[in-house]
Amino acid sequence: AQSVTQPDIHITVSEGASLELRCNYSYGATPYLFWYVQSPGQGLQLLLKYFSGDTLVQGIKGFEAEFKRSQSSFNLRKPSVHWSDAAEYFCAVAEAGSYQLTFGKGTKLSVIP
Amino acid sequence: NAGVTQTPKFQVLKTGQSMTLQCAQDMNHEYMSWYRQDPGMGLRLIHYSVGAGITDQGEVPNGYNVSRSTTEDFPLRLLSAAPSQTSVYFCASSHYRGESTDTQYFGPGTRLTVL
Repeated sequence: AQSVTQPDIHITVSEGASLELRCNYSYGATPYLFWYVQSPGQGLQLLLKYFSGDTLVQGIKGFEAEFKRSQSSFNLRKPSVHWSDAAEYFCAVAEAGSYQLTFGKGTKLSVIP
Repeated sequence: NAGVTQTPKFQVLKTGQSMTLQCAQDMNHEYMSWYRQDPGMGLRLIHYSVGAGITDQGEVPNGYNVSRSTTEDFPLRLLSAAPSQTSVYFCASSHYRGESTDTQYFGPGTRLTVL
């Protein structure tokens, strides 16, 4: 069965600093990969997804992620964090052809003004 | 276009009570699913459906029932609530393109407390 690991439970960065959130997955074939963001008390919003093709994907709100097959990773990055980026971030994986998402446990991002 | 809507937003139940969490979408999505979110656990799939009349179990189905009589609605039933079902419940939907996974859209959630 596939699994998703987000090693960092909580990250704090200063506004304007760069950000990288880590995500590692365990799955035999090429997975479909997603990053979602959840603001306090809200539902989940899709930031970006990788299905195939270019391994560097661009998302909304200035986020990008890179799929590295050799490292089984799909890390999320942003060059300059804004205070409004404070939220919880979830990495998720699905098998090709499956709609069942397996989520990581999430990384909570705090932003210092 | 309201997207995915869920009602109620908050609910408190006593152990043994039953209730139905409502989920509706207006995007003509074939695929709908229910997740529960617990602190430090991420989201876990409860049940899902790929179309009207078709449902299947996810990772944590025990204690929950679902049915899908229309494309728009996918209610989640708790027949006899237990404190272990205290959680935040999210409904999600997407188009179903067979072998091609599509983006899932999430509702705002229902926060359920079982005393």
